[in-house]
Amino acid sequence: EVQLVESGGGLMQPGGSLTLSCAASGVTVSRFYMNWIRQSPGQGLEWVSVIYSGGDTYYADSVKGRFTISRDDSKNILYLQMNSLRADDTAVYYCTRQYSYGSFDQWGQGTLVTVSS
Amino acid sequence: DIQMTQSPSSLSASVGDRVTITCRASQSIGINVNWYQQKPGKAPKLLIFAASTLYSGVPSRFSGSGSGTDFTLTVSSLQPEDFAIYYCQQSYNIFRTFGQGTKLEVK
Repeated sequence: EVQLVESGGGLMQPGGSLTLSCAASGVTVSRFYMNWIRQSPGQGLEWVSVIYSGGDTYYADSVKGRFTISRDDSKNILYLQMNSLRADDTAVYYCTRQYSYGSFDQWGQGTLVTVSS
Repeated sequence: DIQMTQSPSSLSASVGDRVTITCRASQSIGINVNWYQQKPGKAPKLLIFAASTLYSGVPSRFSGSGSGTDFTLTVSSLQPEDFAIYYCQQSYNIFRTFGQGTKLEVK
């Protein structure tokens, strides 16, 4: 059974930094395209970033230059380093596995990041 | 960015009803559309990928169709557990985008 467990969320001040983690079991993160998707409170879904199995990374324009996706293959953990946080980064952040036709078939439970002064 | 526009934004229906949700892409995207169901406080669940392929374990009352710019998700006979928010998502390019969601409520 695939399990993705996010952690690291919390209350942050604007301009601060935070690193989210996604511990995977039942799936090897280095063998799949792994993504971060976020959802602002009461709002829809926004794709944030992807890391390919080969290591290439891509970001939404809204986070490019501020967020960095990475993984630790030895620990089977996906990360999202978030710098220069803004109020509009407030959201539940989900770690997801990419499946066929660019769909997302496995999701974590999400971790809430709140950016507020 | 490819914009995905869902309609309606909300829909009231009864158990046993047949309902259809529409998603329109801002450009032609082939069959690169996926559909999700989300219940309050939970992560979304994949229902359909590649516009019409049912994901493993998803009941057959769910179906998808379409290609190009217009796509539909149909629930043939609503069950109590189907009342939720539904999202479409395009995977035509790297920068995935989602529709704004359709809230399916009990009439």
